[in-house]
Amino acid sequence: GENVEQHPSTLSVQEGDSAVIKCTYSDSASNYFPWYKQELGKRPQLIIDIRSNVGEKKDQRIAVTLNKTAKHFSLHITETQPEDSAVYFCAAKEPGANNLFFGTGTRLTVIP
Amino acid sequence: DVKVTQSSRYLVKRTGEKVFLECVQDMDHENMFWYRQDPGLGLRLIYFSYDVKMKEKGDIPEGYSVSREKKERFSLILESASTNQTSMYLCASTEWGGPNTGELFFGEGSRLTVL
Repeated sequence: GENVEQHPSTLSVQEGDSAVIKCTYSDSASNYFPWYKQELGKRPQLIIDIRSNVGEKKDQRIAVTLNKTAKHFSLHITETQPEDSAVYFCAAKEPGANNLFFGTGTRLTVIP
Repeated sequence: DVKVTQSSRYLVKRTGEKVFLECVQDMDHENMFWYRQDPGLGLRLIYFSYDVKMKEKGDIPEGYSVSREKKERFSLILESASTNQTSMYLCASTEWGGPNTGELFFGEGSRLTVL
């Protein structure tokens, strides 16, 4: 099955700086890559996703890039704000599979 | 809005007890999942179900079983709870081919402590 590795496990940035979280996957057939944000004490929620036919996707301050050749994808958050502080999970899905494979999560702290 | 409801937010059980965690979703999703969340280990899949009465093992099924008798309900069962099953348990559902394809909707979690 798919194996997703996520780095770093913790990340601290100053408010206003950018944050980048990287994930690698093992199955070159995987074609769907979502990112989830889990605020303290709350449930994980989808914040952005990308499919393998696209190299980059943006949504306001958040962007995701995908490099299929290298089998890695990244989450970019610009102009970070304290409310961006959370645990972020990447995931990958193989075609025809019924489940997602999650990375181990990155705890992002934005320092005011 | 999709709603995934887990029956208990906090449970305290004793070693050897049988534990039932219930999850109900209201969006007619075919796929339902049980994850375990531990610090530094992320979200680990215990079991999932892609249809009524159908189930598949995830990454860490040992010590757990599941039941899906109705489409909206997916239960996680710990036959004999052990201290190493102390954790946060998250239920989720999705419809891969639906309007929100790929989005997992999570419940609020059930924090289980086994003494």
